[in-house]
Amino acid sequence: NAGVMQNPRHLVRRRGQEARLRCSPMKGHSHVYWYRQLPEEGLKFMVYLQKENIIDESGMPKERFSAEFPKEGPSILRIQQVVRGDSAAYFCASSPKLYTEAFFGQGTRLTVV
Amino acid sequence: AQKVTQAQTEISVVEKEDVTLDCVYETRDTTYYLFWYKQPPSGELVFLIRRNSFDEQNEISGRYSWNFQKSTSSFNFTITASQVVDSAVYFCALSETNSGNTPLVFGKGTRLSVIA
Repeated sequence: NAGVMQNPRHLVRRRGQEARLRCSPMKGHSHVYWYRQLPEEGLKFMVYLQKENIIDESGMPKERFSAEFPKEGPSILRIQQVVRGDSAAYFCASSPKLYTEAFFGQGTRLTVV
Repeated sequence: AQKVTQAQTEISVVEKEDVTLDCVYETRDTTYYLFWYKQPPSGELVFLIRRNSFDEQNEISGRYSWNFQKSTSSFNFTITASQVVDSAVYFCALSETNSGNTPLVFGKGTRLSVIA
């Protein structure tokens, strides 16, 4: 049973470009969460999705950021017109039910140059 | 509002010493979950434990043990006979349940360095 798969592991974008981060949850998991970790900081919740639905996006910036979890395929976190402040590690987690242990992927380290 | 505080930013110990990582939380809910995760230098997050608010029994797993005290809103983590491989950042996290869907809220983490 493969774990949570995130790709790419490292992503470099120039200011103004778009970044697309992918997350394939563990088999049987229908709950997906995205978190952002700034250097020397803890993880900050961004968005929680279940298949085809955004349940809670209270932690996601209103502009430039969007997330989806389609019926088929991975969850995507999309950042448009990236700025230097978007440089961070983005982690995806999945769980079979809410409040069970969430298993995290290895993260995508986004660097904006 | 929920909050998790890990007051120790960094701890250094010599191998084989015991070390306790502190975690204090704030919540208005009566039902909630507490978690610990480990983030080794490679960067991934490794789940260690989940504890619900109704279960105050301490737990031991090998060299790891957890002390949950509702009276002081603390969920401390002890590593016995520490090893170099324990060097990592450790995060405590909280998830509330009474108010609806609340994913994990993390503390800022404690960086543990175990020196040979």
